[in-house]
Amino acid sequence: QKEVEQDPGPLSVPEGAIVSLNCTYSNSAFQYFMWYRQYSRKGPELLMYTYSSGNKEDGRFTAQVDKSSKYISLFIRDSQPSDSATYLCAMRQGAQKLVFGQGTRLTINP
Amino acid sequence: EPEVTQTPSHQVTQMGQEVILRCVPISNHLYFYWYRQILGQKVEFLVSFYNNEISEKSEIFDDQFSVERPDGSNFTLKIRSTKLEDSAMYFCASTRAEEYGYTFGSGTRLTVV
Repeated sequence: QKEVEQDPGPLSVPEGAIVSLNCTYSNSAFQYFMWYRQYSRKGPELLMYTYSSGNKEDGRFTAQVDKSSKYISLFIRDSQPSDSATYLCAMRQGAQKLVFGQGTRLTINP
Repeated sequence: EPEVTQTPSHQVTQMGQEVILRCVPISNHLYFYWYRQILGQKVEFLVSFYNNEISEKSEIFDDQFSVERPDGSNFTLKIRSTKLEDSAMYFCASTRAEEYGYTFGSGTRLTVV
């Protein structure tokens, strides 16, 4: 079983839709959970960062962590064409390496 | 907003040659990392560096790889004898403390021919 699993998509939705992106993981020791956005041939850009279980909201973005199910989600409200990118989940245990998902390619259609 | 700067943005090198990829982390950050991404694949961890020494490295980071922080601002990744399979985007990242998210640079695209 892969340590972090993420559906690579592609996912295509109309502008204004609510987008739901998800990852599952197998290592119950993961404590820190992140979502990064990556545009083509650019570095990952940190969007959301959460510690342990719960929800965190920042503008149009909401991150959810359910440690009991080993499942994390990113919701994007009122999606815009500029949100079109690859979204990467990433997680780690303590100070150890960051483990990334495959990334989901998202397209928002005007 | 502070950013991690990487140079060059693209490097082409012949197989067997040495390359040095350069990074300037954010000035008050203490933890430094190199990751790589082969086209179409996951971002993979290479090495972490703290207090002037390697704190963790992956299986990929073999004797052909080395890292250095030669002064107070630069952080470099050296590949001694490049192979075709080293072709990838190489990302430098830094963070102020372990409990924070990492800031990544824009990457260096390394092409080995």
